[in-house]
Amino acid sequence: DIVMTQSPDSLAVSLGERATINCKSSQSVLYSSNTKNYLAWYQQKPGQPPKLLIYWASTRESGVPDRFSGSGSGTDFTLTISSLQAEDVAVYYCQQYYSTPPTFGQGTRLEIK
Amino acid sequence: EVQLLESGGGLVQPGGSLRLSCAASGFTFSSYPMSWVRQAPGKGLEWVSAISGSGGSTYYADSVKGRFTISRDNSKNTLYLQMNSLRAEDTAVYYCAKRSPDTAVSPPAFDYWGQGTLVTVSS
Repeated sequence: DIVMTQSPDSLAVSLGERATINCKSSQSVLYSSNTKNYLAWYQQKPGQPPKLLIYWASTRESGVPDRFSGSGSGTDFTLTISSLQAEDVAVYYCQQYYSTPPTFGQGTRLEIK
Repeated sequence: EVQLLESGGGLVQPGGSLRLSCAASGFTFSSYPMSWVRQAPGKGLEWVSAISGSGGSTYYADSVKGRFTISRDNSKNTLYLQMNSLRAEDTAVYYCAKRSPDTAVSPPAFDYWGQGTLVTVSS
């Protein structure tokens, strides 16, 4: 199984500041034949199911604010929130869908400083 | 509007059985592979099982293989998870999740999730 490791486990950022969450996979999730990275990011607020934010490592899901962006390739990925809003307080997960079983990172809790 | 509504959770003793259901609406159910993903209290997300749109192919996490069975009834737009020989470590909120059409691969990313149903395994 591909192990996904996120850092940090928790993060406190001031409103309007940038938040950066990292995700590392134990093996590459870049599929050479189509040059796509099989990596997604989700946001989960308390008492709610996860919400898809980003897929193919950098493609925003419809309706997701453009302050959310994804980057990276191969084994190292980043979710960036360019200007933190109060409603962004949540736990964020990365997920690889390169191989079965699909696996998730342990989550990063994002709070307001 | 896509809706996924899970039901069937509850308290069950170790060794017992439970059947979860996920009623889907707002999309062509039979066209989409579906998955179950669980979340133990205060913990992260764990994929459990997946099924193809036709129901002809199924996949399981090693942790549930041989104990859980995923199935679907496309005439009823409903996904199921039969859980047998339940253990304390199966305690979790179980979500059904739909494959994102933009990631038409296997396994996929998941664009819609239900609200979840809580399964508690305890004596």
